Amino acid sequence: SAVISQKPSRDICQRGTSLTIQCQVDSQVTMMFWYRQQPGQSLTLIATANQGSEATYESGFVIDKFPISRPNLTFSTLTVSNMSPEDSSIYLCSVQVSAYGYTFGSGTRLTVV
Amino acid sequence: RKEVEQDPGPFNVPEGATVAFNCTYSNSASQSFFWYRQDCRKEPKLLMSVYSSGNEDGRFTAQLNRASQYISLLIRDSKLSDSATYLCAVNENNNDMRFGAGTRLTVKP
Repeated sequence: SAVISQKPSRDICQRGTSLTIQCQVDSQVTMMFWYRQQPGQSLTLIATANQGSEATYESGFVIDKFPISRPNLTFSTLTVSNMSPEDSSIYLCSVQVSAYGYTFGSGTRLTVV
Repeated sequence: RKEVEQDPGPFNVPEGATVAFNCTYSNSASQSFFWYRQDCRKEPKLLMSVYSSGNEDGRFTAQLNRASQYISLLIRDSKLSDSATYLCAVNENNNDMRFGAGTRLTVKP
C-alpha cells in the first residue's frame, strides 16, 4: 500500500491567515483526496485533486477558501485561506489503493485562534 | 438523510465479549464497502474490505446486505487493544468514498 507523508502535523494559527498542508506519496497516484474531520464527526470530503486539471470540490467547499495544487502524481497541497475559528479541524489527505480502500496521511490538526 | 449512518455508541464491553456494529447506506448503486479503525488522534486505517459473500479475518467478520443496504462488523473475543472508533465507508463511484461518523468501542478488563 502507499505511504503518505503529511505535514505539518499540527499548527495554531491566527484568524485571517492561511495555512498550506502538504502531502507526499511514495508512489504515483491518479487522484488524491482531501478530507476534514471535526471532533466527533465523520470525515467530510473537501475536494478531489487531479494531476493536470483543476480540483473537484464538494458542495459547501470553494476554491477561494481551499485552493489545491497537484503539480505531479506524488504531491498535493491544500491551503486553508483567511482562517476563522470554524476552520479548526483535522485535515487529512488520502489516496486510493487499487480496490482496497483508501490510505490516509497522518493528518494536520489545525487550531485557529 | 445522511449517506452513511452508524450508531455512534459508545459501546463499552468486557474483554472476551462479542460486539457487532451496523452501518446503513443510502445509495443503492454503491459499489464497494470497507471498515476502518481510527485510534484517538490518529488517522483512519483500513481494517477490512466487505465482500458480498462476507469475509472473515481472525476475530473480525464483515458482512454486506445489499437488499437492506447495510454492512456489519462482528468482533469476537474482544481485546483491550480493540478499543478504537470504527468507521464504515462506502465507495459510491469508484472514487467517491463516504464515511460514517464512527462507532466508539471501549473494551474493559
